[in-house]
Amino acid sequence: EAQVTQNPRYLITVTGKKLTVTCSQNMNHEYMSWYRQDPGLGLRQIYYSMNVEVTDKGDVPEGYKVSRKEKRNFPLILESPSPNQTSLYFCASNPGTGGSYGYTFGSGTRLTVV
Amino acid sequence: DAKTTQPNSMESNEEEPVHLPCNHSTISGTDYIHWYRQLPSQGPEYVIHGLTSNVNNRMASLAIAEDRKSSTLILHRATLRDAAVYYCILWKGAQKLVFGQGTRLTINP
Repeated sequence: EAQVTQNPRYLITVTGKKLTVTCSQNMNHEYMSWYRQDPGLGLRQIYYSMNVEVTDKGDVPEGYKVSRKEKRNFPLILESPSPNQTSLYFCASNPGTGGSYGYTFGSGTRLTVV
Repeated sequence: DAKTTQPNSMESNEEEPVHLPCNHSTISGTDYIHWYRQLPSQGPEYVIHGLTSNVNNRMASLAIAEDRKSSTLILHRATLRDAAVYYCILWKGAQKLVFGQGTRLTINP
């Protein structure tokens, strides 16, 4: 089944403890992206990647890092999480950079930083 | 970012058609119109997209106005599982989808 898989689904951590949220897609998509969703603010893009070793900032990149060493994986790294990064995170992928393709989203990771 | 305007909420009955409107008066010639929906506790799900012509797929139909300044997502026969937030988005060639607040669709049994 074609899908975007995120892990973990739920995570509770403490301030300052580095964590990684993994994202993997099995569709050979070139484009991958991370979003966070917060009440009243909707979905906002954190980082995106147009291909292996090509990443760029989205609208809210502060406090996050990403890497794209392989086409299928696009992990989101929080080096020193803070409570304001408590949110629902989604990874998405797309075959290419054209708007003529639909995006596939993962099921989400609910992160709580205490 | 190109702006879309959708009603905050809509309500319909099961097994009836649903027409979800979206205004996008600032659309430019190369902007694709995407629709996604988000069910409770799930990630956004692609529904349909189009550029100029009306589009049909197994989930829905997309009717695009001739001037492209508005579009309508049509669910032909709503079920309870169609209750979700529906997002109308203009894809402008940037590497992101800009989500608005969407329309919360309630389906009554």
